[in-house]
Amino acid sequence: GAGVSQSPSNKVTEKGKDVELRCDPISGHTALYWYRQSLGQGLEFLIYFQGNSAPDKSGLPSDRFSAERTGGSVSTLTIQRTQQEDSAVYLCASSYVGGSSYNEQFFGPGTRLTVL
Amino acid sequence: GDSVTQMEGPVTLSEEAFLTINCTYTATGYPSLFWYVQYPGEGLQLLLKATKADDKGSNKGFEATYRKETTSFHLEKGSVQVSDSAVYFCALFRPSGYSTLTFGKGTMLLVSP
Repeated sequence: GAGVSQSPSNKVTEKGKDVELRCDPISGHTALYWYRQSLGQGLEFLIYFQGNSAPDKSGLPSDRFSAERTGGSVSTLTIQRTQQEDSAVYLCASSYVGGSSYNEQFFGPGTRLTVL
Repeated sequence: GDSVTQMEGPVTLSEEAFLTINCTYTATGYPSLFWYVQYPGEGLQLLLKATKADDKGSNKGFEATYRKETTSFHLEKGSVQVSDSAVYFCALFRPSGYSTLTFGKGTMLLVSP
């Protein structure tokens, strides 16, 4: 079956513009995660969805970042008024269930965002 | 809070050399520990895991043992190949109710023929 897919694979934008990043999780996976991979910073957790709700938004770096998930499937990460420090690779992952038991997270290839 | 510290890279080795990438963690309770690998141009893949103290995870010739007394989960391979060149991430999962992974910063491994 298909893995986690993300689009676009690359996005170049100008400072101050809004961007939307999309994630299609593996079919049937109820949990979805967004991470950010910055040079020299490793992977930072951004937000976690269980179904359509986000019980953990603690990683969102500012109120310019928001995310939603509809139909328990596709998720969109939106960054408003982009800044150069937002340049990074944004990774999405999904797992069969979330909660207190670990279930393997499967990662997408990421979206490379460059803010000029 | 939880944290993972791994050795900085790049680690440069010749083919068939022995590999160790150090990883230590800080977390309350009893986390599960993981190594993920990211090959050039690809997404992260789970390489191996260990869910309790003294467990040894292994896959593709790589091994790591969960050492609670030293809070470590060092990655080892006896004989690396050029195809092992990638970035390796150590991570932990603590069952606090949310399913988030805490990652180290990653270690790049470069293997030359």
